[in-house]
Amino acid sequence: GAVVSQHPSRVICKSGTSVKIECRSLDFQATTMFWYRQFPKKSLMLMATSNEGSKATYEQGVEKDKFLINHASLTLSTLTVTSAHPEDSSFYICSAGDPGAVLNYGYTFGSGTRLTVV
Amino acid sequence: AQSVAQPEDQVNVAEGNPLTVKCTYSVSGNPYLFWYVQYPNRGLQFLLKYITGDNLVKGSYGFEAEFNKSQTSFHLKKPSALVSDSALYFCALGGGATNKLIFGTGTLLAVQP
Repeated sequence: GAVVSQHPSRVICKSGTSVKIECRSLDFQATTMFWYRQFPKKSLMLMATSNEGSKATYEQGVEKDKFLINHASLTLSTLTVTSAHPEDSSFYICSAGDPGAVLNYGYTFGSGTRLTVV
Repeated sequence: AQSVAQPEDQVNVAEGNPLTVKCTYSVSGNPYLFWYVQYPNRGLQFLLKYITGDNLVKGSYGFEAEFNKSQTSFHLKKPSALVSDSALYFCALGGGATNKLIFGTGTLLAVQP
């Protein structure tokens, strides 16, 4: 079945530094990847839609200069949290799908990245 | 606008009893509905989906869900709960021009032994 690998699973960084999170589709080509942020009270917030070869589409209220998304190939999307601050600490999850995925199985999710900014 | 609601933050059930996790939706066209489960510090795992066809959908781990168009609901059910079913469950609505998945706020299922 479709597998999405997300790396790293945990990262601790100092305030002011940048952190890159990778999302890879291992056995399929993902033309679309999504980045979510999960808050402590569990709700999932869609941050942006990442389309291969084009600019990401950000949801309202998400700072595109803060959360840089690059989808340079059909198997890799990256989320870079720039100049991280403690309030950016969260659980970030990616998901990926091929064309028509939403009609078949939804999307496949990565295992998430726990970011802690100290 | 599309939306999906999970009215219960938490559902408690004794092992062996049937369980129901509720989900309602709002969409202008035909809904594509999904259930996902999340274990602590993990991503989401697909359980089942409704796209078209039979209203009763069977999925992984003995779960099933019933699509009810008149009540705009897609409740998740299992005849006999296991302690290992304890997790966070998300209902999601998909489709539309952007193919985005819109998630409910999640329901924590706690199965007591």
